[in-house]
Amino acid sequence: DAGITQSPRHKVTETGTPVTLRCHQTENHRYMYWYRQDPGHGLRLIHYSYGVKDTDKGEVSDGYSVSRSKTEDFLLTLESATSSQTSVYFCAISERDSRLHGYTFGSGTRLTVV
Amino acid sequence: DQQVKQNSPSLSVQEGRISILNCDYTNSMFDYFLWYKKYPAEGPTFLISISSIKDKNEDGRFTVFLNKSAKHLSLHIVPSQPGDSAVYFCAASVAGSARQLTFGSGTQLTVLP
Repeated sequence: DAGITQSPRHKVTETGTPVTLRCHQTENHRYMYWYRQDPGHGLRLIHYSYGVKDTDKGEVSDGYSVSRSKTEDFLLTLESATSSQTSVYFCAISERDSRLHGYTFGSGTRLTVV
Repeated sequence: DQQVKQNSPSLSVQEGRISILNCDYTNSMFDYFLWYKKYPAEGPTFLISISSIKDKNEDGRFTVFLNKSAKHLSLHIVPSQPGDSAVYFCAASVAGSARQLTFGSGTQLTVLP
């Protein structure tokens, strides 16, 4: 989707190194989310943001931190990557009335921790 | 504890026939339900949704049915087409300021030509 961009698209990193994934939106949506997708688990919420500098934890937040200093950017940081964090990470955006139309997702970042 | 469950990891259907994907949930506070479709190497895309005050919503070839007493919803695709082959995720939402979605584990639909 042209309104939401994730970078990088692919990354291989070593255990113990810090990693930052970026989500950038051009839609001026208030809400932003980070999910991870793993086989057998579907999509699980890591962290979300409901405004600049307003963030909260999701279901699987351990080992992750986030920051949102501007409306358009939502960063996900793995402070010290572990093999269990190998996954596909999706960013999503929504407006307040997303109940009937859901989120718009980015194309994902495939992260491999070796 | 999975609040949204899709018990069939995969489903194969002949082109032109009906595809029925199922989803069960445990949280009675969910008030909206959504279906997403995902192709490989792409993000999920929204397909159709339903409010908990309704029992059916239709959009073209796609119909979602909600049975609140059974805590069950299903997605019907009629007629199925090869382009419908994808992973389908069921999701549910609880009223709240951030509208977080809870997803099921997905069902891989394969439509055979």
